Amino acid sequence: DTGVSQNPRHKITKRGQNVTFRCDPISEHNRLYWYRQTLGQGPEFLTYFQNEAQLEKSRLLSDRFSAERPKGSFSTLEIQRTEQGDSAMYLCASSWTGTVNSPLHFGNGTRLTVT
Amino acid sequence: TQLLEQSPQFLSIQEGENLTVYCNSSSVFSSLQWYRQEPGEGPVLLVTVVTGGEVKKLKRLTFQFGDARKDSSLHITAAQPGDTGLYLCARGTSGSRLTFGEGTQLTVNP
Repeated sequence: DTGVSQNPRHKITKRGQNVTFRCDPISEHNRLYWYRQTLGQGPEFLTYFQNEAQLEKSRLLSDRFSAERPKGSFSTLEIQRTEQGDSAMYLCASSWTGTVNSPLHFGNGTRLTVT
Repeated sequence: TQLLEQSPQFLSIQEGENLTVYCNSSSVFSSLQWYRQEPGEGPVLLVTVVTGGEVKKLKRLTFQFGDARKDSSLHITAAQPGDTGLYLCARGTSGSRLTFGEGTQLTVNP
């Protein structure tokens, strides 16, 4: 197992364009989380899935953001009509519900820059 | 809104010094996790503390959970440049998500 994988590592886009990020979790993990992190801050929760069901979404997740996990494996996060304020590191994490106080296993993130 | 306050926000020390960083909340935690994040990487779990008054050691790192389970501290002995990173505390909130503090950015200078 190679851990949580995120692609691309970096994305530069112009304001108004759409972008899509992909996350491949640890294969036996049934939960998948998306977080956003700006420089010098802790990660902020966006949304999470248990298997293919999206169980919780943050108020931070505006209608321009959509996340899917169609087969309960990999997930995509799409941002439509990007704004400069969307520039951040987007982190994906996975965990297994069968572990008490399940730790999150993070990928190395996708750094988005909106110009 | 971050429910966890971490201090100090920035800390720059020389190799060999000791340091302590803090994580505080006005509410009780059922458990607390500490993560370390290096530049360009995701956070990595260091430890989970569950019981009030609990102390856990990980080599030169000592983690303490307050008796009232409202605060935690991380003490590093004889810091090394490899300890440089962003130290984050996190607690479970509604549902199954973790809420993170803003972190302490530690720089250990050789």
